[in-house]
Amino acid sequence: DVKVTQSSRYLVKRTGEKVFLECVQDMDHENMFWYRQDPGLGLRLIYFSYDVKMKEKGDIPEGYSVSREKKERFSLILESASTNQTSMYLCASRNSQGQLSEQYFGPGTRLTVT
Amino acid sequence: GQSLEQPSEVTAVEGAIVQINCTYQTSGFYGLSWYQQHDGGAPTFLSYNALDGLEETGRFSSFLSRSDSYGYLLLQELQMKDSASYFCAVRDQNSGYALNFGKGTSLLVTP
Repeated sequence: DVKVTQSSRYLVKRTGEKVFLECVQDMDHENMFWYRQDPGLGLRLIYFSYDVKMKEKGDIPEGYSVSREKKERFSLILESASTNQTSMYLCASRNSQGQLSEQYFGPGTRLTVT
Repeated sequence: GQSLEQPSEVTAVEGAIVQINCTYQTSGFYGLSWYQQHDGGAPTFLSYNALDGLEETGRFSSFLSRSDSYGYLLLQELQMKDSASYFCAVRDQNSGYALNFGKGTSLLVTP
Protein backbone atom coordinates (compact mmCIF):
# COMPACT_ATOMS: atom_id res chain seq x y z
CA ASP A 1 0.00 0.00 0.00
CA VAL A 2 1.14 3.49 -0.82
CA LYS A 3 1.72 5.56 2.23
CA VAL A 4 1.89 9.34 2.27
CA THR A 5 2.63 10.89 5.62
CA GLN A 6 2.60 14.51 6.73
CA SER A 7 4.64 15.82 9.61
CA SER A 8 1.76 17.21 11.68
CA ARG A 9 -2.02 16.77 11.80
CA TYR A 10 -2.53 20.08 13.57
CA LEU A 11 -0.30 23.14 13.69
CA VAL A 12 -0.77 26.58 15.23
CA LYS A 13 1.58 29.39 14.19
CA ARG A 14 1.74 33.14 14.64
CA THR A 15 1.52 35.72 11.88
CA GLY A 16 4.93 36.34 10.34
CA GLU A 17 6.44 33.01 11.33
CA LYS A 18 8.17 30.80 8.77
CA VAL A 19 6.32 27.50 8.55
CA PHE A 20 7.52 24.19 7.15
CA LEU A 21 5.09 21.43 6.19
CA GLU A 22 6.71 18.12 5.39
CA CYS A 23 5.42 15.29 3.27
CA VAL A 24 6.99 11.89 2.77
CA GLN A 25 5.90 9.06 0.47
CA ASP A 26 7.25 5.53 0.52
CA MET A 27 6.44 4.29 -2.99
CA ASP A 28 9.20 5.89 -5.06
CA HIS A 29 6.70 8.14 -6.85
CA GLU A 30 8.13 10.77 -9.15
CA ASN A 31 5.30 13.29 -8.88
CA MET A 32 4.26 15.08 -5.69
CA PHE A 33 1.70 17.80 -5.04
CA TRP A 34 0.61 20.31 -2.42
CA TYR A 35 -3.02 21.41 -2.20
CA ARG A 36 -4.96 23.53 0.20
CA GLN A 37 -8.56 22.76 0.97
CA ASP A 38 -11.04 25.35 2.17
CA PRO A 39 -14.81 24.97 2.72
CA GLY A 40 -16.72 25.59 -0.48
CA LEU A 41 -13.56 25.94 -2.55
CA GLY A 42 -12.51 22.33 -2.95
CA LEU A 43 -8.86 21.43 -3.47
CA ARG A 44 -6.63 24.06 -5.00
CA LEU A 45 -3.15 23.26 -6.27
CA ILE A 46 -0.33 25.28 -4.72
CA TYR A 47 2.76 23.64 -6.21
CA PHE A 48 3.76 20.36 -7.70
CA SER A 49 7.01 18.58 -8.44
CA TYR A 50 7.40 16.10 -11.26
CA ASP A 51 10.82 14.94 -10.06
CA VAL A 52 13.64 15.70 -7.64
CA LYS A 53 14.63 19.38 -7.66
CA MET A 54 11.84 20.11 -10.17
CA LYS A 55 8.88 22.28 -9.26
CA GLU A 56 5.99 23.99 -10.98
CA LYS A 57 3.59 26.60 -9.71
CA GLY A 58 -0.02 25.61 -9.36
CA ASP A 59 -3.05 27.85 -9.24
CA ILE A 60 -2.30 29.65 -5.96
CA PRO A 61 1.48 29.77 -5.34
CA GLU A 62 1.62 33.27 -3.84
CA GLY A 63 3.06 33.26 -0.34
CA TYR A 64 4.39 29.71 -0.65
CA SER A 65 7.55 28.01 -1.80
CA VAL A 66 8.56 24.34 -2.03
CA SER A 67 11.59 22.15 -1.81
CA ARG A 68 12.22 18.67 -3.27
CA GLU A 69 15.77 17.61 -2.48
CA LYS A 70 14.97 13.90 -2.20
CA LYS A 71 12.50 11.85 -4.17
CA GLU A 72 10.47 10.79 -1.17
CA ARG A 73 10.15 14.21 0.47
CA PHE A 74 8.31 17.34 -0.64
CA SER A 75 8.24 20.35 1.65
CA LEU A 76 5.88 23.31 1.58
CA ILE A 77 7.20 26.54 3.06
CA LEU A 78 5.19 29.53 4.17
CA GLU A 79 7.81 32.28 4.17
CA SER A 80 5.82 34.62 6.42
CA ALA A 81 2.58 33.08 7.60
CA SER A 82 -0.57 35.16 7.36
CA THR A 83 -4.07 34.57 8.73
CA ASN A 84 -5.44 33.94 5.22
CA GLN A 85 -3.18 30.89 5.04
CA THR A 86 -5.20 29.20 7.77
CA SER A 87 -6.36 26.07 5.96
CA MET A 88 -6.12 22.31 5.55
CA TYR A 89 -3.00 21.39 3.58
CA LEU A 90 -2.96 18.11 1.68
CA CYS A 91 0.03 16.45 0.12
CA ALA A 92 -0.31 13.86 -2.65
CA SER A 93 1.95 11.68 -4.75
CA ARG A 94 1.60 9.79 -8.00
CA ASN A 95 3.49 7.25 -10.05
CA SER A 96 4.26 8.95 -13.36
CA GLN A 97 4.19 5.56 -15.10
CA GLY A 98 0.85 4.47 -13.76
CA GLN A 99 -2.68 5.80 -13.84
CA LEU A 100 -1.93 9.50 -14.16
CA SER A 101 -5.19 10.55 -12.56
CA GLU A 102 -4.70 8.43 -9.45
CA GLN A 103 -3.11 10.47 -6.71
CA TYR A 104 -2.45 9.20 -3.20
CA PHE A 105 -3.14 11.71 -0.47
CA GLY A 106 -1.72 12.16 2.99
CA PRO A 107 -3.96 12.74 6.03
CA GLY A 108 -3.57 16.52 5.86
CA THR A 109 -2.22 19.23 8.14
CA ARG A 110 -4.71 21.67 9.60
CA LEU A 111 -2.79 24.90 9.98
CA THR A 112 -4.10 27.79 12.04
CA VAL A 113 -2.31 31.13 11.81
CA THR A 114 -3.15 33.54 14.62
CA GLY B 1 -9.45 28.43 -18.51
CA GLN B 2 -10.77 25.42 -16.70
CA SER B 3 -13.99 25.17 -14.74
CA LEU B 4 -15.89 22.30 -13.17
CA GLU B 5 -19.43 22.40 -11.87
CA GLN B 6 -20.97 19.90 -9.48
CA PRO B 7 -23.82 20.22 -6.98
CA SER B 8 -22.77 21.34 -3.54
CA GLU B 9 -25.05 18.96 -1.62
CA VAL B 10 -27.09 15.84 -2.27
CA THR B 11 -29.24 13.87 0.18
CA ALA B 12 -30.43 10.31 -0.43
CA VAL B 13 -31.92 7.44 1.51
CA GLU B 14 -30.08 4.30 2.49
CA GLY B 15 -30.52 1.61 -0.17
CA ALA B 16 -31.34 4.11 -2.91
CA ILE B 17 -29.38 5.15 -6.00
CA VAL B 18 -27.83 8.60 -6.34
CA GLN B 19 -26.16 10.33 -9.26
CA ILE B 20 -23.64 13.16 -8.82
CA ASN B 21 -23.12 15.19 -11.97
CA CYS B 22 -20.06 17.07 -13.12
CA THR B 23 -19.79 19.40 -16.09
CA TYR B 24 -16.49 20.84 -17.18
CA GLN B 25 -15.00 23.38 -19.51
CA THR B 26 -11.46 22.69 -20.54
CA SER B 27 -9.11 22.43 -23.48
CA GLY B 28 -7.12 19.38 -24.49
CA PHE B 29 -9.15 17.10 -22.23
CA TYR B 30 -7.50 13.85 -21.13
CA GLY B 31 -9.89 12.40 -18.59
CA LEU B 32 -12.27 12.77 -15.65
CA SER B 33 -11.63 11.31 -12.21
CA TRP B 34 -13.68 10.95 -9.05
CA TYR B 35 -12.42 11.07 -5.47
CA GLN B 36 -14.17 10.39 -2.17
CA GLN B 37 -13.34 12.16 1.07
CA HIS B 38 -14.85 11.36 4.45
CA ASP B 39 -14.91 14.06 7.12
CA GLY B 40 -11.44 14.44 8.57
CA GLY B 41 -9.98 11.98 6.07
CA ALA B 42 -7.82 12.08 2.99
CA PRO B 43 -9.31 12.04 -0.52
CA THR B 44 -9.19 8.60 -2.06
CA PHE B 45 -9.33 7.73 -5.75
CA LEU B 46 -12.54 6.09 -6.99
CA SER B 47 -12.50 6.03 -10.77
CA TYR B 48 -11.19 7.44 -14.02
CA ASN B 49 -12.81 7.84 -17.43
CA ALA B 50 -10.85 8.80 -20.50
CA LEU B 51 -13.32 7.46 -23.06
CA ASP B 52 -17.08 7.81 -23.43
CA GLY B 53 -19.17 5.31 -21.58
CA LEU B 54 -19.77 3.71 -18.24
CA GLU B 55 -17.12 2.21 -15.96
CA GLU B 56 -18.37 0.01 -13.15
CA THR B 57 -16.57 -0.85 -9.93
CA GLY B 58 -18.82 -2.65 -7.50
CA ARG B 59 -21.59 -0.36 -6.25
CA PHE B 60 -19.98 2.67 -7.91
CA SER B 61 -20.08 3.54 -11.61
CA SER B 62 -18.73 6.51 -13.47
CA PHE B 63 -19.87 7.82 -16.83
CA LEU B 64 -18.32 10.20 -19.32
CA SER B 65 -19.60 11.98 -22.41
CA ARG B 66 -16.73 13.89 -24.01
CA SER B 67 -18.99 15.53 -26.58
CA ASP B 68 -21.17 16.96 -23.80
CA SER B 69 -18.27 17.75 -21.45
CA TYR B 70 -20.22 15.90 -18.80
CA GLY B 71 -19.78 13.03 -16.45
CA TYR B 72 -21.42 11.53 -13.41
CA LEU B 73 -20.75 9.24 -10.50
CA LEU B 74 -23.49 6.73 -9.76
CA LEU B 75 -23.72 5.16 -6.32
CA GLN B 76 -26.06 2.19 -5.94
CA GLU B 77 -27.41 0.44 -2.85
CA LEU B 78 -26.42 3.41 -0.75
CA GLN B 79 -24.98 2.73 2.68
CA MET B 80 -24.56 5.09 5.60
CA LYS B 81 -20.79 4.89 5.14
CA ASP B 82 -21.16 6.49 1.70
CA SER B 83 -21.87 9.82 3.41
CA ALA B 84 -18.84 11.82 2.29
CA SER B 85 -17.72 14.51 -0.12
CA TYR B 86 -17.20 13.53 -3.74
CA PHE B 87 -14.94 15.49 -6.05
CA CYS B 88 -14.68 15.33 -9.80
CA ALA B 89 -11.29 16.24 -11.25
CA VAL B 90 -10.07 16.89 -14.76
CA ARG B 91 -6.67 16.33 -16.29
CA ASP B 92 -6.04 18.27 -19.47
CA GLN B 93 -3.33 20.01 -21.44
CA ASN B 94 -3.37 22.94 -19.03
CA SER B 95 -3.11 20.88 -15.85
CA GLY B 96 -0.58 18.51 -17.36
CA TYR B 97 0.86 16.51 -14.47
CA ALA B 98 -1.73 17.83 -12.04
CA LEU B 99 -5.50 17.61 -11.58
CA ASN B 100 -8.02 20.40 -11.47
CA PHE B 101 -10.63 19.56 -8.82
CA GLY B 102 -14.25 20.62 -8.59
CA LYS B 103 -15.53 22.14 -5.36
CA GLY B 104 -17.05 18.88 -4.22
CA THR B 105 -20.49 17.45 -3.52
CA SER B 106 -21.43 16.63 0.05
CA LEU B 107 -23.54 13.46 0.06
CA LEU B 108 -25.67 12.74 3.09
CA VAL B 109 -27.21 9.27 3.32
CA THR B 110 -30.16 9.10 5.70
CA PRO B 111 -31.79 6.03 7.26
